[in-house]
Amino acid sequence: GAVVSQHPSWVICKSGTSVKIECRSLDFQATTMFWYRQFPKQSLMLMATSNEGSKATYEQGVEKDKFLINHASLTLSTLTVTSAHPEDSSFYICSARDSPSLKLFFGSGTQLSVL
Amino acid sequence: EDKVVQSPLSLVVHEGDTVTLNCSYEVTNFRSLLWYKQEKKAPTFLFMLTSSGIEKKSGRLSSILDKKELSSILNITATQTGDSAIYLCAVGGGSNYKLTFGKGTLLTVNP
Repeated sequence: GAVVSQHPSWVICKSGTSVKIECRSLDFQATTMFWYRQFPKQSLMLMATSNEGSKATYEQGVEKDKFLINHASLTLSTLTVTSAHPEDSSFYICSARDSPSLKLFFGSGTQLSVL
Repeated sequence: EDKVVQSPLSLVVHEGDTVTLNCSYEVTNFRSLLWYKQEKKAPTFLFMLTSSGIEKKSGRLSSILDKKELSSILNITATQTGDSAIYLCAVGGGSNYKLTFGKGTLLTVNP
């Protein structure tokens, strides 16, 4: 299957700092990428849809000024958690859609811990 | 609002047992249903189903979609401890084809 690389795997930061997470499709071009958040023992919750070259579409209840998404190329999307607080601590996963097949492939996820 | 419901939420079986996981959905402009297996980190793709009644098979795993009943099942035969994981069902729909995930079924296979 297609490969999606997500970096970093783990990040620990102080409250008030910003954290950037990268998501790359390594062997295919992804016009659309998705960002999910997952709390322990819960399912994936879609945060936003990232479209190459245009603004991201955020799900209801997700603050777009807090979770900045940039999809500058067909292989890279970034999620920046601005002014992170302890309640932002979570597992964040990106996914990229392989356009011809419409299958979604996931990155390995980023565990964010805000102290 | 799109909805995906999985059952059971958790299941404990012994090695060698056969299990059936269920997924039902209410989605606008249904396009496909996908099954994923999640162990420690990111979900790994198992199946994508778009047509009703056609079984997809991979080793001991198989899945089928019933568009009339708006549901799908995932079967695992001769379970092994390595099958222990959360199995996620997701349904794609709408113009931007976003996926809506169910809460998952936590499967534990004991030796």
